[in-house]
Amino acid sequence: DAGVIQSPRHEVTEMGQEVTLRCKPISGHDYLFWYRQTMMRGLELLIYFNNNVPIDDSGMPEDRFSAKMPNASFSTLKIQPSEPRDSAVYFCASTPASLAGGPSYNEQFFGPGTRLTVL
Amino acid sequence: GQSLEQPSEVTAVEGAIVQINCTYQTSGFYGLSWYQQHDGGAPTFLSYNALDGLEETGRFSSFLSRSDSYGYLLLQELQMKDSASYFCAGVSGGSYIPTFGRGTSLIVHP
Repeated sequence: DAGVIQSPRHEVTEMGQEVTLRCKPISGHDYLFWYRQTMMRGLELLIYFNNNVPIDDSGMPEDRFSAKMPNASFSTLKIQPSEPRDSAVYFCASTPASLAGGPSYNEQFFGPGTRLTVL
Repeated sequence: GQSLEQPSEVTAVEGAIVQINCTYQTSGFYGLSWYQQHDGGAPTFLSYNALDGLEETGRFSSFLSRSDSYGYLLLQELQMKDSASYFCAGVSGGSYIPTFGRGTSLIVHP
């Protein structure tokens, strides 16, 4: 398996523009997570999905952020309009379900990340 | 909620042993994971402890004491390539979603 795939790897945009980040999880993984990493705030969970359904979006910073998962192999994180403070590395991660039914709690598989710079 | 505390930076010399500590405050604590992240890279899983004691995987070991709300990652025979950030992540029962600490930057000197 190719692992979690994210695109683009780098994105530079101007304030006010729409940004769309993409993620393809590992095939067969039921859980997909979006994280944001900055020096100031560390690694923050934004939202996660189970079987394409958003379960917890309490980490989404504000209404400018939205995420979708139209099918098991694709998810997007959209920022509209973007602001300079959104500059960060955005990671997508996936994990299979555990035998108990929840996410496999011991390991998450991270994609390479998208480094977003908003000017 | 959860909070995890770990040192911001640790330095050591090649060939030495280093321990990175992690203390946590979490309701419904279930287990502690460790991840490694090189500069410009993605976090990669190292280990997971659900029970008290030491788990060994090659040069890396991870320890958990649930009674002390404390864990550590032990790296032996340090190599230059071990220079990276190391994150502890606490997992709570219920959601089983990990909460990450702020990370410890390990600098290995020759």
